[in-house]
Amino acid sequence: EVQLVESGGGLVKTGGSLRLSCAASGFTFRNTWMSWVRQAPGKGLEWVGHIKSKTDGGTTDYAAPVKGRFTISRDDSKNTLFLQMNSLEIDDTAVYYCTTVGRITLFGVVYYFDYWGQGILVTVSS
Amino acid sequence: DIQMTQSPSSLSASVGDRVTITCRASQGISTYLNWYQQKPGKAPKLLIYASSSLQGGVPSRFSGSGSGTDFTLTISSLQPEDFATYYCQQTYSTPMYSFGQGTKLEIK
Repeated sequence: EVQLVESGGGLVKTGGSLRLSCAASGFTFRNTWMSWVRQAPGKGLEWVGHIKSKTDGGTTDYAAPVKGRFTISRDDSKNTLFLQMNSLEIDDTAVYYCTTVGRITLFGVVYYFDYWGQGILVTVSS
Repeated sequence: DIQMTQSPSSLSASVGDRVTITCRASQGISTYLNWYQQKPGKAPKLLIYASSSLQGGVPSRFSGSGSGTDFTLTISSLQPEDFATYYCQQTYSTPMYSFGQGTKLEIK
């Protein structure tokens, strides 16, 4: 059974930093692209960024609002995904989900977020 | 950036109803369109990928269709457990995936 368990959330002041972790089990983590998605209170879903598997280069991409402030990394030896968040702003307040990125080749390569963690709340206050 | 717009934003329906939710992309995205269901306090769940492919374990009353800019999610006969918020997501302009704003499906 696939399990994704986020940790490390909490309350932080604007300008501060926080590091989220996502412990993965039940699948071959090292071969899997991983993503972070967030949801502000009462709002919709927003993609934050992703990291490819090392066999696919291990590169990262980020949404514009977090680029330069957030860093995604992975430790394949510990089956763990990380999200380092620096220079936090009020608008970063959200529940943060880690997800697996599924891929299937049909007419092209189709991506989808097939497994999600339970989410972890990050609150940024002034 | 590709913008995804869902309609309606909210919808009231009864158990047994047939319901359709629409998602429109600001530019053509072929069939790179996924649908998710989210219940209050829970993580989203993948329902459909590539516009019409049903994720494993998802009931067959859910179906998706569309290509280009216009897509629909249809629930053929609403069940009590289907009342939730539904999101579409485009994965055409990878890696800049974007979601629709959501459609809240409520009990009438």
